[in-house]
Amino acid sequence: QSALTQPRSVSGSPGQSVTISCTGTSSDVGGYNYVSWYQQHPDKAPKLMIYDVSERPPGVPDRFSGSKSGNAASLTISGLQAEDEADYYCCSHGGSYTLYVFGTGTKVTVL
Amino acid sequence: EVQLVESGGGLVKPGGSLGLSCTASGFTFNIYSMSWVRQAPGKGLEWVSSISSTSRSIYYADSLQGRFTISRDNAKNSLFLQMNSLRAEDTAVYYCTSTYPGGNYFVYWGRGALVTVSS
Repeated sequence: QSALTQPRSVSGSPGQSVTISCTGTSSDVGGYNYVSWYQQHPDKAPKLMIYDVSERPPGVPDRFSGSKSGNAASLTISGLQAEDEADYYCCSHGGSYTLYVFGTGTKVTVL
Repeated sequence: EVQLVESGGGLVKPGGSLGLSCTASGFTFNIYSMSWVRQAPGKGLEWVSSISSTSRSIYYADSLQGRFTISRDNAKNSLFLQMNSLRAEDTAVYYCTSTYPGGNYFVYWGRGALVTVSS
């Protein structure tokens, strides 16, 4: 299974909204409501931001939201803040053999 | 406080072997599935392998072609990854992660262990 497709980079000014897309297939994103999103700052471990398409773990600000339509999922960051500048990866359950597949990653820049 | 601490990384020659360990604390290790996720220098995340809480179910990425073996010891709150026939493309930071019981997402992450395969 190939990596899920994400835009290489997105950017926005503080306070604006940005949306990151994550495109897969009916064998992964489209087949399960098990899309998660991870934030990774430079030289740090990834951090879970969204799970099961649109659920937020405790402690994650509500300006982070997730959705899915067909074979594509999205992460929206509303009210962009400086600390949101990081790499973001989507991940989907991939079935019985390729259990998980990650996205290619998106660098979010706060202008 | 939840902690996942990897150890065993280092420099190994192509064709060599290396074992990684991960020690968990701060959560009930024996009810969580565990996984290894790696990240090559400057690249994205790649799922490597997962093991269920009882070790009954084990999964590997196709790209590993049978070279890696995942295992766990619930009595010692530990996860392991034995890597054989290592190649340059296995060079990466290897993260130990835990999957929320009944879930399909990585809720806890270690800081990672760097494995460098080079002659």
